[in-house]
Amino acid sequence: ELKVEQNPLFLSMQEGKNYTIYCNYSTTSDRLYWYRQDPGKSLESLFVLLSNGAVKQEGRLMASLDTKARLSTLHITAAVHDLSATYFCAVDDGMNRDDKIIFGKGTRLHILP
Amino acid sequence: NAGVTQTPKFQVLKTGQSMTLQCAQDMNHEYMSWYRQDPGMGLRLIHYSVGAGITDQGEVPNGYNVSRSTTEDFPLRLLSAAPSQTSVYFCASSYSHRGRQPQHFGDGTRLSIL
Repeated sequence: ELKVEQNPLFLSMQEGKNYTIYCNYSTTSDRLYWYRQDPGKSLESLFVLLSNGAVKQEGRLMASLDTKARLSTLHITAAVHDLSATYFCAVDDGMNRDDKIIFGKGTRLHILP
Repeated sequence: NAGVTQTPKFQVLKTGQSMTLQCAQDMNHEYMSWYRQDPGMGLRLIHYSVGAGITDQGEVPNGYNVSRSTTEDFPLRLLSAAPSQTSVYFCASSYSHRGRQPQHFGDGTRLSIL
C-alpha cells in the first residue's frame, strides 16, 4: 500500500533564506505532483514530475524527482512572504496497477518578513 | 469554462441524516476523485473513478458511496452522517488516470455533522 510522507510538516523561515521540503513514498512510482493551497482555498497545481531525474522550475520554486530513492524535493530559493502556503506532494500508484493518487500530509510554510 | 464545480459550498447535517455532495466537470476528464481534508491529515482519498461506470475505493471509503453514470458527474453520498465525517470535501478531475496532467480541484464543500 502506497504511503507518502512529507517533512517537515511545518516550517517557519525568514525572507531571503533557502529551504527544501522532502516527499518520500513507499512504492514504485513514476508520477509525482506538487500542489499549493492557500488558507481556506482549493489546491492549485505547481509541478508534474514524470520520470527519474525530472526537474521543474517556476520562479523561486524548483522540484525534482529521484524514483530510485523514492524521493521528491521542493526547493525554495530566497523565500518571499507570498510563498507562505501549504504545499502538498501527491503520488500516482499506477505502476502497481492501482489508480489511486495519494497525498502527503502537507508542509505548512510560514515566511516571516 | 467552469472547471470542477462542487455544490453545496457549506452544509450542516444532523447525525444520521443522509445527503449527496455534487461534483461536475466540463473538461471531458476521464479520472475523477473525492478527497476529504482534516487538520493535520492532509488529503485522504475516499473514492475515485477512471471513467463512466467504473468506481473504486480509496483510503477511507467507509460511510460513503459514489456512482459515475456520466463522464461529467461524480456525486458522493453520505449514507448516515456521523460527527467523524465533519470535514472539507474536495472533488478533483484529470484528463486520464495515467496521463501527464495534474488534477483540477473544485472549491470544496465544508460539511459539519452535529
